[in-house]
Amino acid sequence: KQEVTQIPAALSVPEGENLVLNCSFTDSAIYNLQWFRQDPGKGLTSLLLIQSSQREQTSGRLNASLDKSSGRSTLYIAASQPGDSATYLCAVRRGSRLTFGEGTQLTVNP
Amino acid sequence: DVKVTQSSRYLVKRTGEKVFLECVQDMDHENMFWYRQDPGLGLRLIYFSYDVKMKEKGDIPEGYSVSREKKERFSLILESASTNQTSMYLCASRPKWAGEQYFGPGTRLTVT
Repeated sequence: KQEVTQIPAALSVPEGENLVLNCSFTDSAIYNLQWFRQDPGKGLTSLLLIQSSQREQTSGRLNASLDKSSGRSTLYIAASQPGDSATYLCAVRRGSRLTFGEGTQLTVNP
Repeated sequence: DVKVTQSSRYLVKRTGEKVFLECVQDMDHENMFWYRQDPGLGLRLIYFSYDVKMKEKGDIPEGYSVSREKKERFSLILESASTNQTSMYLCASRPKWAGEQYFGPGTRLTVT
């Protein structure tokens, strides 16, 4: 059974800092990996999708990498801003289903 | 822009009531999903559908049923609501093969 772990569970940083969120998964036979953002009381917003054959994807200040063989992905956020404060979830897809991590709660302090 | 909408943001129902949660997507996606999200338990899949009138059980289907009569609409039904079904319910859709999964804004359901 696929298990997805996100470390740390919570992170607090000053504005402007570059930061890395980690995601690990136990079964490397994945189709793709997706990073989401969730604001309190809201749905999930898709940030980046990495196919299993890709190594990384970039969108603005966000860069996600994937090392399928070691079962790891990282989300790099450059020059963090208070508006980046949210919970970040990673999810891996095998077959039809996504398996989600529990998320990293990020707070960016002005 | 992909849009997944849910019929209610907040809902309060009484124990034993039949509850309908509606989800509509406008991107002609084949796959649609219902999750619930609870603190400490994360996101758990209730049911999903890969085509009209097709459905498959997720990890926690007990106490729920679903209906998909049209491609754009996927309904979650609580046959007889119970207090342990108080939760945030999230609908999602995705294209048949590759592509991102998109979520709706969620329905916060309280059963009293």
